[in-house]
Parts: sequence; C-alpha cells; structure tokens
Amino acid sequence: GQQLNQSPQSMFIQEGEDVSMNCTSSSIFNTWLWYKQDPGEGPVLLIALYKAGELTSNGRLTAQFGITRKDSFLNISASIPSDVGIYFCAGFHNSGYALNFGKGTSLLVTP
Amino acid sequence: SQTIHQWPATLVQPVGSPLSLECTVEGTSNPNLYWYRQAAGRGLQLLFYSVGIGQISSEVPQNLSASRPQDRQFILSSKKLLLSDSGFYLCAWSFGQGADSPLHFGNGTRLTVT
Repeated sequence: GQQLNQSPQSMFIQEGEDVSMNCTSSSIFNTWLWYKQDPGEGPVLLIALYKAGELTSNGRLTAQFGITRKDSFLNISASIPSDVGIYFCAGFHNSGYALNFGKGTSLLVTP
Repeated sequence: SQTIHQWPATLVQPVGSPLSLECTVEGTSNPNLYWYRQAAGRGLQLLFYSVGIGQISSEVPQNLSASRPQDRQFILSSKKLLLSDSGFYLCAWSFGQGADSPLHFGNGTRLTVT
C-alpha cells in the first residue's frame, strides 16, 4: 500500500495544552480519516474528510484535508487526560477498499 | 446501529498449533470485512479483505488464510502457527455500497504464540 508519514511519533504534554499532528503522502489520497486507539482496544473513528480543503470539527478536535490532497492534520484543543492514546491517520489512495494507515502518534497528557 | 464482535479477546497458542479467530457484524447487510494485524502497539497492516461471501483478497503472503462463510462472518485461520504470527489482530467492517467508506474496528484479539 501507499506509505503515510505521520508525525510526530510521540508527544508528551500538559493538560490544557493544544496538540497538532499531521500526515503526509507522496501520492494523492481521496479520503483522509483520523482514528484514536486506547490501549488494548480497536481504533475508533474520530473524523472523516472527503474533499480537498475540507475542515471538520468534532468537539475539541479539528482536522483538515490538505489542498494538494497529499496531507492532513489533526488538532486537539485544551487537552485532557482522557485524550491519551495513539492517533492514526488513514486514507484511501484510489477509490477502493484497502485503507492505508500511518504509524501513529502516541499522546501522553499529564494532569 | 451496527456492532462488531470479535473473539477471543486473548489467546495463547503453541507453535505449530492451528488458529481460528472469528468476527461477526450485526445491523448491516453485505458489509466489506477486513482483517488487520498490529505489531508492537503501532502500525496496522492489512491482511485480508472481503467484499462478499466467498470473496477474499489477500494483501500479503503469509501463514494465514481468511474465509467468509456467511454475509456477516469473517474468520482468520492458520494450520500451523509460527512465532512471528504473534500480534494484535483486528477485524473491521465498512458499508458495502461503495468504496472509500470508513472502517469500524472490533476490540481485537491479542495472540501470543509460544
């Protein structure tokens, strides 16, 4: 599958801080998805993006589909301890069924 | 609403033994079904996907196989496990009406091969 480069690999922040992570690819993607995985559980869909330039919010989370269709970012505002987990970007390279994943950003939040 | 069930949650098996992991989806018809493996808590690797009964696409050559005997049932199998088969196995589904539909994951099976 197509490689997605996700950064940073890990983040260690204090409660209340804002967080930003991003994902890039050398190829164009049609759809960008952001997931969160808690320890020992399956990833849960946070935000789905379908159009270049699209900016979507879900509570304190905001994600954007890059204009070039080769990147996406996820912002978390005013982080809280329950934001701890691994965040994955994912995308469909061509219209199809195989979803490509980034390697994840591990987020730790201290009270 | 749709739900996905995956079992068992954890499994310890000796090298050379067979494997059968099962996944079922409720609340939708003709879903796309997927098996992913996650090693060391990061990086999800697509193993198999299915767009219909009896239709299986394999993404990587390996010691595993998949079957879809019923519309909402997806099974991951092996005849003889290897140590390298250890990992966290995730089943997922998406709506089958078209491509680019987000995947929804089960809670996974932690497999340890000893």
